[in-house]
Amino acid sequence: DTGVSQNPRHKITKRGQNVTFRCDPISEHNRLYWYRQTLGQGPEFLTYFQNEAQLEKSRLLSDRFSAERPKGSFSTLEIQRTEQGDSAMYLCASILDRVAGELFFGEGSRLTVL
Amino acid sequence: GEDVEQSLFLSVREGDSSVINCTYTDSSSTYLYWYKQEPGAGLQLLTYIFSNMDMKQDQRLTVLLNKKDKHLSLRIADTQTGDSAIYFCAEGAFNKFYFGSGTKLNVKP
Repeated sequence: DTGVSQNPRHKITKRGQNVTFRCDPISEHNRLYWYRQTLGQGPEFLTYFQNEAQLEKSRLLSDRFSAERPKGSFSTLEIQRTEQGDSAMYLCASILDRVAGELFFGEGSRLTVL
Repeated sequence: GEDVEQSLFLSVREGDSSVINCTYTDSSSTYLYWYKQEPGAGLQLLTYIFSNMDMKQDQRLTVLLNKKDKHLSLRIADTQTGDSAIYFCAEGAFNKFYFGSGTKLNVKP
């Protein structure tokens, strides 16, 4: 197993365009999280899934953001009508319930909105 | 349970010990974590401690937890230049994980 995988690693887009990020968690990890990190800050919680169910969304997640995990494996995070304030690193993490302590992160997807 | 505080910077000389401190507010936290982040990369899990433990040692890393004061520390023995990075403290219960703003460790040769 190669760990949590995120694609693309970098995305540069113009304001108003839509972008989609993909996360492949560690196999058999049933919980998956999305975080956002801006420069000089720690990760901020956006949303998380237990299998295919989205159980919680942060107030940070505006209507322009949507996340899915259709088969309980990989997840996508879509941002519609991007704004410059969306520029950040988007991090995905996964954890196996039976070993509840070990939350593993991917390398992140960096978004730059021009 | 969302306030996790860390000092912003720490500078040490190669070979010395580094101690990075963290305070948290949620007494129901089950796990406390330390992550390392290098420039442009994701967060690497260094170690974590269950909330009913006082100490955990893993090679050069020692974690101390004072649950009464809600204080967590990470000691890195024999700090190397490769340890230069940002270190994040995090607290977690069953479903939620909250992170501090990170401590930038600078290791001088």
